[in-house]
Amino acid sequence: KQEVTQIPAALSVPEGENLVLNCSFTDSAIYNLQWFRQDPGKGLTSLLLIQSSQREQTSGRLNASLDKSSGRSTLYIAASQPGDSATYLCAVGGSRLTFGEGTQLTVNP
Amino acid sequence: ETGVTQTPRHLVMGMTNKKSLKCEQHLGHNAMYWYKQSAKKPLELMFVYNFKEQTENNSVPSRFSPECPNSSHLFLHLHTLQPEDSALYLCASSQDFRDVIAQYFGPGTRLTVL
Repeated sequence: KQEVTQIPAALSVPEGENLVLNCSFTDSAIYNLQWFRQDPGKGLTSLLLIQSSQREQTSGRLNASLDKSSGRSTLYIAASQPGDSATYLCAVGGSRLTFGEGTQLTVNP
Repeated sequence: ETGVTQTPRHLVMGMTNKKSLKCEQHLGHNAMYWYKQSAKKPLELMFVYNFKEQTENNSVPSRFSPECPNSSHLFLHLHTLQPEDSALYLCASSQDFRDVIAQYFGPGTRLTVL
C-alpha cells in the first residue's frame, strides 16, 4: 500500500526566503506526482504535475523535482511571498491519488 | 476557476436527516471522484466513476450513496450520518481514470453533522 509522507508538517518563514518542501513515498511504481495548494476551507489547486518519466517541472517561482528511485520529491519556492501562505499537498499515483498530510506554510511579511 | 463546481458549499445536518451533495464539471471529462478530507488526515478517496460507471468504492459505509447520472454530474447522497462524518468533501474530475493526467478539484462542501 502506497504511503506518502510530507516533511515538515508546518513551516513559518520570513518573506523573501527560498524554501524547500519535502515529500516521500514508499512505492516507486508511480505514474505521476502532483503538488497541490490548498487555502483554508477551500479546494485544491494543482501547481505542478511531474510524469514518471520526468525529473522536474517548473512554473514561475515553483520548481518540483522527482526522484523515483529514492521515492522522493521536493517543491522549491523561490523568493517566498505572504500570498504563498497555504497548505501544500503532495499526491502520487495515476488515476488513484494517494495524498500526504500536507505542509502548512506561513510566510510572514 | 477550476471548472468543477460543488453545491452547497456548507451544510449542517442532524444524524437523522437526508441530504445530497452535488458536483458538476464543465471540462468535458469522463471520470469523476469523491474525496473526504478530515482534520489532520490525508485526503481519502471514496468513489470513482468512469463514463458514469462506478469503478471504485473504497470501503465507504453505506450511509454514503453516490450517483452519477452522466459524465458531468456526480452526487453524494447522505443519510443517518455520524458526527465523525463531519469533514470537507471534495469532488474531482479527470479526462479518463486510466490516463496519466491531472485531476481537477472543486472547492468542496464543508459538512457538519450534529
